[in-house]
Amino acid sequence: DAGVTQSPTHLIKTRGQQVTLRCSPISGHKSVSWYQQVLGQGPQFIFQYYEKEERGRGNFPDRFSARQFPNYSSELNVNALLLGDSALYLCASAPPDRTPGELFFGEGSRLTVL
Amino acid sequence: GEDVEQSLFLSVREGDSSVINCTYTDSSSTYLYWYKQEPGAGLQLLTYIFSNMDMKQDQRLTVLLNKKDKHLSLRIADTQTGDSAIYFCAESNNFGNEKLTFGTGTRLTIIP
Repeated sequence: DAGVTQSPTHLIKTRGQQVTLRCSPISGHKSVSWYQQVLGQGPQFIFQYYEKEERGRGNFPDRFSARQFPNYSSELNVNALLLGDSALYLCASAPPDRTPGELFFGEGSRLTVL
Repeated sequence: GEDVEQSLFLSVREGDSSVINCTYTDSSSTYLYWYKQEPGAGLQLLTYIFSNMDMKQDQRLTVLLNKKDKHLSLRIADTQTGDSAIYFCAESNNFGNEKLTFGTGTRLTIIP
């Protein structure tokens, strides 16, 4: 079975630009979460969506937005990019009946902002 | 607020036991987790413990929780080269919400 897939795997942007990252959850998983992992740190929660509704939001500015589609895939958008947005962006999905906190992570999209 | 702390590095000889430690601040933590991150791969849940437990064992893994001191540890018995990875401690305080608070991770290096 396919795991969580994310695209693109790597991308380079310049300050002020906008970026869209995409995530396809594991088949049957209705929950998608986004995390930001800055080099040398642990992942930080950005958003969670379940059944297309936002279920949680971390401490990130309004430049960060996300949405979930009817097929449960998700996009993360970041506007007005700053150098500090350079990070690995991780998407995770979870099935309806899951071990508590068992998130299935993709390999991430590595964003570099120059 | 929530904060999870771990030491950054640990080196262990192959065959020995590895003990990775973590402290957390949120007394309302409901579940505590250990995730593993290998190079070029996503995070993988290794094990978790509910806050009303003090120990959980799963094959080579033993999790100890001292709720009074807010201290969590992961012991890996008979450490193998395949155990080389970054290990993240994480906590959540709201089951059903996927917000996990992760530590900075401990990089485990195995010495042959």
